[in-house]
Amino acid sequence: DGGITQSPKYLFRKEGQNVTLSCEQNLNHDAMYWYRQDPGQGLRLIYYSQIVNDFQKGDIAEGYSVSREKKESFPLTVTSAQKNPTAFYLCASSNPSDKSSYEQYFGPGTRLTVT
Amino acid sequence: QKEVEQNSGPLSVPEGAIASLNCTYSDRGSQSFFWYRQYSGKSPELIMSIYSNGDKEDGRFTAQLNKASQYVSLLIRDSQPSDSATYLCAVDFGNEKLTFGTGTRLTIIP
Repeated sequence: DGGITQSPKYLFRKEGQNVTLSCEQNLNHDAMYWYRQDPGQGLRLIYYSQIVNDFQKGDIAEGYSVSREKKESFPLTVTSAQKNPTAFYLCASSNPSDKSSYEQYFGPGTRLTVT
Repeated sequence: QKEVEQNSGPLSVPEGAIASLNCTYSDRGSQSFFWYRQYSGKSPELIMSIYSNGDKEDGRFTAQLNKASQYVSLLIRDSQPSDSATYLCAVDFGNEKLTFGTGTRLTIIP
């Protein structure tokens, strides 16, 4: 059963702590993305990766870090430097080498609350 | 600046009617356009992709693309209460990523 998994679904942390959100896909997609969504807002791109061992900053990368050591995995760390980390975090993947271009498929999301 | 604009709504449509959602974008050279549906508290789900001018139909959904006017629309025929959701328009501006609009909230009234 192919898809994208994110864990955990809900995450609670104290201010000042780093936290890592998991994203795994078994779709054999080359590209992976992290977005943040705030209530009533659209999706804002944090980081993206087109291939293993390479990634680029999106529009709001400050306070976040990523790694792409395996094709299947793209974890996101929310650091204590992120001023307002409480949000809904969405991971997506796509296969740009396909003629379907940048169709992105999303995982179920992780809702992070920092107090 | 690559931008995608959508009316935030809410858009209210009676059950059984046609819902029309619109999206405009800033770059005439864009090639790929997508519509996502997002239920409250859930992640976006891809429902339509369109790459060429004209209409593309899939069941009750029709996507319409007009590159000269830089807009893409989504029509939902025979609207059902289960269509109540936020609809996100996304555009590939050729820069290795998608740019999303802020979404239009659609409510189908029984």
